Amino acid sequence: GAGVSQSPSNKVTEKGKDVELRCDPISGHTALYWYRQSLGQGLEFLIYFQGNSAPDKSGLPSDRFSAERTGGSVSTLTIQRTQQEDSAVYLCASTGVTLYNEQFFGPGTRLTVL
Amino acid sequence: KQEVTQIPAALSVPEGENLVLNCSFTDSAIYNLQWFRQDPGKGLTSLLLIQSSQREQTSGRLNASLDKSSGRSTLYIAASQPGDSATYLCAVRPGYSSASKIIFGSGTRLSIRP
Repeated sequence: GAGVSQSPSNKVTEKGKDVELRCDPISGHTALYWYRQSLGQGLEFLIYFQGNSAPDKSGLPSDRFSAERTGGSVSTLTIQRTQQEDSAVYLCASTGVTLYNEQFFGPGTRLTVL
Repeated sequence: KQEVTQIPAALSVPEGENLVLNCSFTDSAIYNLQWFRQDPGKGLTSLLLIQSSQREQTSGRLNASLDKSSGRSTLYIAASQPGDSATYLCAVRPGYSSASKIIFGSGTRLSIRP
């Protein structure tokens, strides 16, 4: 596709349930990033993939959060046993191998935990 | 630890005015700096990217400057229009890696009054 896509666009879940968020990066982009934006807050880095490996997962807030990337393309962010404080917009970005390494963002997934 | 600050948090100006948004960062060892725009409920749109070796970048009515030694960047918007109303985010890619995570400021919410 022409840009980064994310699904679902909105997700409402009950506390304690597991959720999976999906990111499709721009075709050919080797690096993929997950960020979280809570209401009224700035963007918080979660995890970064280079290919299928994750050199930096320092931003994952707890062991309930995990992410994987397969085939150097699609990535899924999984949140287990969701809590109300997990409610946020989850943004995915990808970067190609270019001189400038500009980050391109998807539209985000708005997660609401009731 | 790199920290990015944006002042003011919110700004309201009448249509047609030129304006400047400010961004400061604590560690001058950066790879690049990127300015984004975020509309309510939307993802991020990249506006300008300045490499660490550059002093400024221009795109249309937008001009971004970078002064690494003082840890500052500005985004200049000429002849502002109501459609420029959005939140503007400054982000720094720290260190010397082209693929590291980027650190965001908390943004300036800009409102252009018709």
